[in-house]
Amino acid sequence: NAGVTQTPKFQVLKTGQSMTLQCAQDMNHEYMSWYRQDPGMGLRLIHYSVGAGITDQGEVPNGYNVSRSTTEDFPLRLLSAAPSQTSVYFCASSRAGTGNSPLHFGNGTRLTVT
Amino acid sequence: ILNVEQSPQSLHVQEGDSTNFTCSFPSSNFYALHWYRWETAKSPEALFVMTLNGDEKKKGRISATLNTKEGYSYLYIKGSQPEDSATYLCASTNRDDKIIFGKGTRLHILP
Repeated sequence: NAGVTQTPKFQVLKTGQSMTLQCAQDMNHEYMSWYRQDPGMGLRLIHYSVGAGITDQGEVPNGYNVSRSTTEDFPLRLLSAAPSQTSVYFCASSRAGTGNSPLHFGNGTRLTVT
Repeated sequence: ILNVEQSPQSLHVQEGDSTNFTCSFPSSNFYALHWYRWETAKSPEALFVMTLNGDEKKKGRISATLNTKEGYSYLYIKGSQPEDSATYLCASTNRDDKIIFGKGTRLHILP
C-alpha cells in the first residue's frame, strides 16, 4: 500500500534555483493538495486540485505553480526559490472534493533554501 | 479564506486524566470539520470527519462533537495514555473545496 508518495524527502536549494516537488497517489483520489508547515503556523494550503486538469489557489500560493495532468500526480514547482520558502511540504489526497472525505498525507519534503 | 482557531495551543495532562480541547470555525457556509492526530516525525492521520450539527463520533478513547450553528467542535480524550502525546489538528471547509487547518493543540501526557 503505497498511498501518497512524496519525493525527495530532503532538498537544499540556493536562492533563485528552481525545483519540482513530486507527489503521487495510487488510491484513485480525485482531490489533491499541497500544504506547507512552518513553526507555530500549522499547515497552510498552497494549491489544490479537485481533478485532472483543474487546479486552484489556497492560502499561500505566491511563488508556487502546480499542474494536474493525471489523476495520480500533482507536482509542486518552485520557479525561483527564496529563503522564505524554507519549510516542510506535505502533499495530501482524498477520495472526493467538497471536503467531506479525510485527507491522506505523504511523508513530507523538508526544503531548505540558502 | 476561513479562520480556524484552536485552543489551547499547548496542554500538559497527567496520565490517566481526561482532557478536551476546542476548535472554532466560521459557521456561515460550513460544510465539514476534520480532526487529525499528528505525531512527531510522522504525517497527520485522520481521526474524524463530521458534517452534521450535533454529530458525535468516537474512536476508542477519543471522541468529538460538532456544533455548526455556533461554529465549534470539541475533541475529548478519556483516560490519557503516553501514546496520546501528539499535536491535534482541526480543519474546516465550506463548499469551495479549500480545507483550512488551525494551528493545532500540542498535547503532552505526563507519566
